[in-house]
Amino acid sequence: DAGVTQSPTHLIKTRGQQVTLRCSPKSGHDTVSWYQQALGQGPQFIFQYYEEEERQRGNFPDRFSGHQFPNYSSELNVNALLLGDSALYLCASSLDGTKNQPQHFGDGTRLSIL
Amino acid sequence: GDSVTQMEGPVTLSEEAFLTINCTYTATGYPSLFWYVQYPGEGLQLLLKATKADDKGSNKGFEATYRKETTSFHLEKGSVQVSDSAVYFCASYTGTASKLTFGTGTRLQVTL
Repeated sequence: DAGVTQSPTHLIKTRGQQVTLRCSPKSGHDTVSWYQQALGQGPQFIFQYYEEEERQRGNFPDRFSGHQFPNYSSELNVNALLLGDSALYLCASSLDGTKNQPQHFGDGTRLSIL
Repeated sequence: GDSVTQMEGPVTLSEEAFLTINCTYTATGYPSLFWYVQYPGEGLQLLLKATKADDKGSNKGFEATYRKETTSFHLEKGSVQVSDSAVYFCASYTGTASKLTFGTGTRLQVTL
């Protein structure tokens, strides 16, 4: 039973570029959440997707956008990259996003901005 | 808004020592509480959870009890091993917010 898978594992971009990160949820899960983890910090919530719609959003600018596909996989897009966007981006999946269902995390994509 | 506060690290212990990592939360409503562990270069792994007051979560020798009166969810282990060295995150989740709120993490180093 595959867990949450993310791709790519590492990525290097320059300021102003755009990036797309991908996530496949754990089998049986229908909800995908994205988090940004800066070095030495706890993860910060970016947004959550359920039924192909953004259900909730954290305090991130519109440069961060996402998408969920009918097979529940998801993409995170970041435009006009800034140095401060360098971080580990984590995808988490759960069933219906309800509070009693724990979120399962992938190993993340480490994004470095030069 | 919701917040989670963890004790500052790093915490350095000798093998077989007793571990406590403090965690307190503020939340609207009644959150579920979690401990996640992160090993170097990896994502977060769920360690244990508790969904209501007085629940005790446990896994791999780790325990934490949901204390509503003190808004706490302290992580404990009776005898740590070198393999427990990692960063531990306390987190809360409320369905209305649809998100996990994390503490800043506590790095644990266990030495022989």
